[in-house]
Amino acid sequence: QSALTQPASVSGSPGQSITISCTGTSSDVGGYNYVSWYQQHPGKAPKLMIYDVSKRPSGVSNRFSGSKSGNTASLTISGLQAEDEADYYCSSYSSSSTFVFGTGTKVTVL
Amino acid sequence: QVQLVQSGAEVKKPGASVKVSCKASGYTFNRYSIHWVRQAPGQRLEWMGWISTANGNTRYSQKLQGRVTITRDTSASTAYMELSSLKSEDTAVYYCARDGGSSWEFDYWGQGTLVTVSS
Repeated sequence: QSALTQPASVSGSPGQSITISCTGTSSDVGGYNYVSWYQQHPGKAPKLMIYDVSKRPSGVSNRFSGSKSGNTASLTISGLQAEDEADYYCSSYSSSSTFVFGTGTKVTVL
Repeated sequence: QVQLVQSGAEVKKPGASVKVSCKASGYTFNRYSIHWVRQAPGQRLEWMGWISTANGNTRYSQKLQGRVTITRDTSASTAYMELSSLKSEDTAVYYCARDGGSSWEFDYWGQGTLVTVSS
């Protein structure tokens, strides 16, 4: 069960928009609408930001949005802010009731 | 409010076993499954397995199948993860996370437990 593929790093200036991709296969990302995204600050537990591809939990800023096309899901952060600097991980339900995480993306606010 | 509180850090020798607990509060324990996720130093998140707190059914990652056991005690609202035959590569922070219930996401997380495997 291989990890989902994410870019190692993405950067942007305050106020800009950035997009993080998450590429899997038809057995995970492409096969189910159960992709979620997590934000992790150093030394902290991950925080759920997006679930079911594009739904936002209560309390998460609407600057965060998600989408999916084929085997690739994406997380977009608009109006980038300094507090958005963190690691981001995608996750997907996979066949046989298992789960897989992405390789992780470090977001830097320039 | 929903809280998952994990047991404290552990230091183990190679070949030993470790058991980490995750005590839930603020919700009805047996209505939401619990997952275990680990993160080696500077590495990505790795899903380990999950347990249905309602019936005790489990599912484990292929990589850890045979070495990991997840159990629960509904009377104590606590889930446990035991990892055996420890290797240095098992040094990591271990997290429990609640399954959201309606979809397959991890909506609340424990604070993490550092397990160090060293001779």
